[in-house]
Amino acid sequence: GALVYQYPRRTICKSGTSMRMECQAVGFQATSVAWYRQSPQKTFELIALSTVNSAIKYEQNFTQEKFPISHPNLSFSSMTVLNAYLEDRGLYLCGAYSTSNERLFFGHGTKLSVL
Amino acid sequence: GQQVQQSPASLVLQEGENAELQCNFSSTATRLQWFYQRPGGSLVSLLSNPSGTKHTGRLTSTTVTKERRGSLHISSSQITDSGTYLCAMGGTNTGKLTFGDGTVLTVKP
Repeated sequence: GALVYQYPRRTICKSGTSMRMECQAVGFQATSVAWYRQSPQKTFELIALSTVNSAIKYEQNFTQEKFPISHPNLSFSSMTVLNAYLEDRGLYLCGAYSTSNERLFFGHGTKLSVL
Repeated sequence: GQQVQQSPASLVLQEGENAELQCNFSSTATRLQWFYQRPGGSLVSLLSNPSGTKHTGRLTSTTVTKERRGSLHISSSQITDSGTYLCAMGGTNTGKLTFGDGTVLTVKP
């Protein structure tokens, strides 16, 4: 079956430091990977959509300078949160899109806490 | 942009009762996907259908694109069904989805 592994599951970083999270699709080829953030208030925001062989498209309020993403192949993607501050807290979710299933599969998410 | 509204915001049922969750979206989209969010935060993909009706186990998803609405029916609810159900809309061949705020389902024994 289609699985998405995301790690770490939880991370705590000091204000102003950076952290990297990774996402691995297993059992299918992810033609696109979408990174989302779920705020403490539970709303979802799309950070960026990465499609292999295309430029990564960031949503309004999110930039490559703050959330650089790497998507080198159809099974792996990583995102870094640079200079994390309190407003960056939340659950970061990686969603890998399967063309054959026409569904988005998510990893467990990375819960980011900032001290 | 696309807006997705779910109702009810919360639902409490006795075990064995059926649940009906609603999803309304603001513009025509080609794909509706239902997710279950576990207490720890992970999202489980339940069903995805652009239109019509789809079944899996005790779940039935119905999408009426022209009327910009969808629903998720859970039959014979179980305690383990408790959690947050999210409806999300998006286009084809892309991971870009707009999520609703979710319906929190509580199934009591």
